[in-house]
Amino acid sequence: EAGVAQSPRYKIIEKRQSVAFWCNPISGHATLYWYQQILGQGPKLLIQFQNNGVVDDSQLPKDRFSAERLKGVDSTLKIQPAKLEDSAVYLCASSLDWGAQFFGPGTRLTVL
Amino acid sequence: AQTVTQSQPEMSVQEAETVTLSCTYDTSESDYYLFWYKQPPSRQMILVIRQEAYKQQNATENRFSVNFQKAAKSFSLKISDSQLGDAAMYFCAYRPFPGGNQFYFGTGTSLTVIP
Repeated sequence: EAGVAQSPRYKIIEKRQSVAFWCNPISGHATLYWYQQILGQGPKLLIQFQNNGVVDDSQLPKDRFSAERLKGVDSTLKIQPAKLEDSAVYLCASSLDWGAQFFGPGTRLTVL
Repeated sequence: AQTVTQSQPEMSVQEAETVTLSCTYDTSESDYYLFWYKQPPSRQMILVIRQEAYKQQNATENRFSVNFQKAAKSFSLKISDSQLGDAAMYFCAYRPFPGGNQFYFGTGTSLTVIP
């Protein structure tokens, strides 16, 4: 069974530029999560989708971050414009309505 | 509100020895899941072990086992015969069930394995 796919794996941009990340969850997983993980810390939930609807985006900085999950399958997370403090690993995860969450390899973003 | 606490930011263990990582959680739910995830440096977060709260038997996966104390709201991870590859950040996580799609993570424990 294929796992959660993410791309790109690494991205380096200048501050004020925009960037987009892509995630394809495990087939059949209705719930998709985007997390931000600062080095040395645990994952912080940015947004959670159930199918193509948003369940929780309370910690998403909506002035610069946006996310969508068209057709309830893959998802994109965008940052525009990026700030230095956005440097982090962006993790995508998916789950069924029960059981564990499965993570992708993450995208390491460096903002210069 | 559900919270997950890992009180040991760092732990170390000699290779081939046993180490226990602690986790406590706060919930008013009676049914839920608990998980331990492992995240090696610069690598993917992977599921180590899971426990359903309704099961009294502690989960075991090869060298990894848990001590689940529901009344005490404690969920510790025991790693036996520690190997160099066990060095990683370990995160404890909680998920309410049913109807709970939110996962709550602890702050992590960094495990060093000493050769």
